[in-house]
Amino acid sequence: TQLLEQSPQFLSIQEGENLTVYCNSSSVFSSLQWYRQEPGEGPVLLVTVVTGGEVKKLKRLTFQFGDARKDSSLHITAAQPGDTGLYLCAGGDSNYQLIWGAGTKLIIKP
Amino acid sequence: NAGVTQTPKFQVLKTGQSMTLQCAQDMNHNSMYWYRQDPGMGLRLIYYSASEGTTDKGEVPNGYNVSRLNKREFSLRLESAAPSQTSVYFCASSNWYTTLGEKLFFGSGTQLSVL
Repeated sequence: TQLLEQSPQFLSIQEGENLTVYCNSSSVFSSLQWYRQEPGEGPVLLVTVVTGGEVKKLKRLTFQFGDARKDSSLHITAAQPGDTGLYLCAGGDSNYQLIWGAGTKLIIKP
Repeated sequence: NAGVTQTPKFQVLKTGQSMTLQCAQDMNHNSMYWYRQDPGMGLRLIYYSASEGTTDKGEVPNGYNVSRLNKREFSLRLESAAPSQTSVYFCASSNWYTTLGEKLFFGSGTQLSVL
C-alpha cells in the first residue's frame, strides 16, 4: 500500500517567517500535486510536478519534487495570513490514481 | 462559471436513514469523483466515474452507491446511514481520468453527521 506522510501535521508561525512542509513516501510517484484547502471549502490545486528534481515557483511558494520522485517539499517565504490553510499533497501512482497525504494545517499569525 | 456544485451543504441523519448527495459540474469534464475527508486521514476515494456511463469503486465504497446521471451530474447515495459515515464529502471533476498530473476541481463539500 502506497502512503504519503506529511510533516509537520500542524504549524503555527508569525507573519514574515519562512517555513517548509514535507511530503514523503517510500514509493515512486509519476506526479505530485499540492493543494490548499480553506475551512468550508474544497481543495484547490496549487501546482503539479512530474519530473524528478523539478522546482516550481508560485510567487512566494517554492515546490520541489525529489530526484527519486518519492518526496516533495513546499517552502513559503515571508508567510502572510492569507497563506493560512490546510496543505495537501497527492501522488499519482502507476495507474495515475491519486494517493493523498493527511495534510499540514498552517496558521500564520499577524 | 460555477465549477462544481454540491448539495446540500450540511445534513444530519439518524442511523438507518437514507439520502442522496447531488453534484453537478459545468466544465464539460469527463471524469467525476466522490471523496470523503476525515480528520487526520486525508481524502479517500469512494467511487469515481471515468467517463459518462461508467462507474467504479474506489478505496472505501462499502455503504455507498453512485449514479452518473449524465455528463454533468454524479450523485452519491447512502442507503442506510451509519455513524461511521459521519464525514465531510467532496465531489470533484477532471477533464480526463488516468492522465498524468490531471487537475481536480472540487466542490465546497457536504458536512454529514449520522447520529
